Order: sequence, then structure tokens, then C-alpha cells
Amino acid sequence: AQSVTQLGSHVSVSEGALVLLRCNYSSSVPPYLFWYVQYPNQGLQLLLKYTSAATLVKGINGFEAEFKKSETSFHLTKPSAHMSDAAEYFCAVSENQAGTALIFGKGTTLSVSS
Amino acid sequence: NAGVTQTPKFQVLKTGQSMTLQCAQDMNHNSMYWYRQDPGMGLRLIYYSASEGTTDKGEVPNGYNVSRLNKREFSLRLESAAPSQTSVYFCASSDYRHLREQYFGPGTRLTVT
Repeated sequence: AQSVTQLGSHVSVSEGALVLLRCNYSSSVPPYLFWYVQYPNQGLQLLLKYTSAATLVKGINGFEAEFKKSETSFHLTKPSAHMSDAAEYFCAVSENQAGTALIFGKGTTLSVSS
Repeated sequence: NAGVTQTPKFQVLKTGQSMTLQCAQDMNHNSMYWYRQDPGMGLRLIYYSASEGTTDKGEVPNGYNVSRLNKREFSLRLESAAPSQTSVYFCASSDYRHLREQYFGPGTRLTVT
């Protein structure tokens, strides 16, 4: 069975510092991997997705993630945090089948201080 | 193009009452999903519909029923609400042509007292 583990339920950084949110997955087949962001009292918005085209994926708002098959990881990074990045971030995995639902991690809340 | 819409946005129920959460998408997607979000639990799949005319149970289906009314609409019904069903409910849709990327609605915040 697929699963997603997000290490750290809360991450705090200073404005301008590197953001690193960790995600490890388990899947028996080549997966699709996603990062979603949720701002307070809103729905989920796609940040970026990995679909086997390139291992380094660039998303919106300056975020990127690198797929490392050997480490079964898909960590999310941003070189310089902004106050507006404060939100909850979810990593998700989907198998390569039509209509398959996403399996979500438990989420990581990112706090950014000035 | 509204994307995924959900009604209502907020609802308070008493234990034992029933209600239906409505979801509609205007992107011509084949697949639709219902998730619940609880603090520290991430999103958990309740039911999904891979295509019009089919529905399947997800991780936490007990206490819920669904109807895929047509390609656009996918409703979630609570027949006899319980306090454990207090949660935020999200509907999503996807299409295989977009590599399983799911588009989410704004959510329904449900409180059962």
C-alpha cells in the first residue's frame, strides 16, 4: 500500500531563510508526486507535481522539489522564505492509474517570522 | 469557469440529523473525490468516483453515502450525523489527461453537536 510521510508537523524559519519541507513516499510502482499548499480557511492549491519527465520540478511562488528515487524522497524547497509563504503544506502520491485518488501526508505547517 | 464549487460553506447539525453536501465541477473531469480534513490527520479519502456511474469506498467511508448524479456533480450524504463527523470536507476532481492533478473546492466546515 502507498503511504506518504512528512517529517516535522511544524517548521519555523526566518524571512529570507531557506525553506525545506521533507516528504518520503512508498509506492510499488512509479508514482506521481504532488505538493499542495493550503492557506488558512481555504482549499488546497497545487504547488508542483512530478510526473517522471524531470527529477527537479519547479512550481509556483519560487518553490521547487527534487525527486530522488534512491531515497524515495520528494522534498520541497524555496531559497528565501517570504511572510506570505506561511501556510500548511501537503505532500501527496498517486499511482499511475486513471481515477486513482491521492494519498496525502499529514501536513507540515510553515511559520515565517520577521 | 468556476472550477470546483461546494455548498454549503458552513453547517451545524445536531446528532442524528441528516444532510447532503453538494459538489459540482465545470472542467469536464471524469473523476471526483470526497475527502475529510481533521487536525494532524491530513486529508483522508471518504469516497471517490473514477468515472460517471461508478463509486468506490476510500479510507474512511463509514457513516457516509455518495451519489454521482452526472459527470458534473458528486454529492456526499450523512444519514445520521455523529460528533465524530465534525470536520472540514473537501471535494476534488481530476482527469487522466492532466496526470492525476486534483483540483479542490473551497471546503465545507461541518460541526455536529
